[in-house]
Amino acid sequence: AQSVAQPEDQVNVAEGNPLTVKCTYSVSGNPYLFWYVQYPNRGLQFLLKYITGDNLVKGSYGFEAEFNKSQTSFHLKKPSALVSDSALYFCAVRDRNAGNMLTFGGGTRLMVKP
Amino acid sequence: EAGVAQSPRYKIIEKRQSVAFWCNPISGHATLYWYQQILGQGPKLLIQFQNNGVVDDSQLPKDRFSAERLKGVDSTLKIQPAKLEDSAVYLCASSYRSPGQGSYEQYFGPGTRLTVT
Repeated sequence: AQSVAQPEDQVNVAEGNPLTVKCTYSVSGNPYLFWYVQYPNRGLQFLLKYITGDNLVKGSYGFEAEFNKSQTSFHLKKPSALVSDSALYFCAVRDRNAGNMLTFGGGTRLMVKP
Repeated sequence: EAGVAQSPRYKIIEKRQSVAFWCNPISGHATLYWYQQILGQGPKLLIQFQNNGVVDDSQLPKDRFSAERLKGVDSTLKIQPAKLEDSAVYLCASSYRSPGQGSYEQYFGPGTRLTVT
């Protein structure tokens, strides 16, 4: 079975500082990995994905994520946080060799303070 | 490009009543998903369609939930009868690529917030 863990319910960061939102995963095969963001009363928006190749993936709004196979992690990062980045962030995984289901983590609330 | 459309946006019903949600995916997207998102949790897949066929419904409580996508475009999710624990946001998503044909990202609608009293 595949699973995703987001160990932090909330991350607080000051505007202008770098941010990291952590994600670890578990799959039996090789993973596809995704990050989505959810703003209040809105659906999830796709940020970025890791499929293969370069371990550092760049996505929308200046976000990037680093795939680390040995640590089974896919942490989301941004060099300089904005107040408008405050939202709920979800990591998701799909085992490319075992079915079609996308499994989401429980989410991490990012709060960026001015 | 229009996004995934869902209606209604909000619904309040009493337990044991029935409710239906509607979803229209992005044009050209063959794969459609229904998720349940309970407050404070990540979305959980209920059912996945490829065109008008069911790909995965292993997590759908089939004694009370049903879904259809008769013409391979829009879809309806129904709950009958509703229970208190069905209170959640029901998200519809669609994707272009078929499962098993490589990577794909899903595009989500705004969701329907269901409250069962």
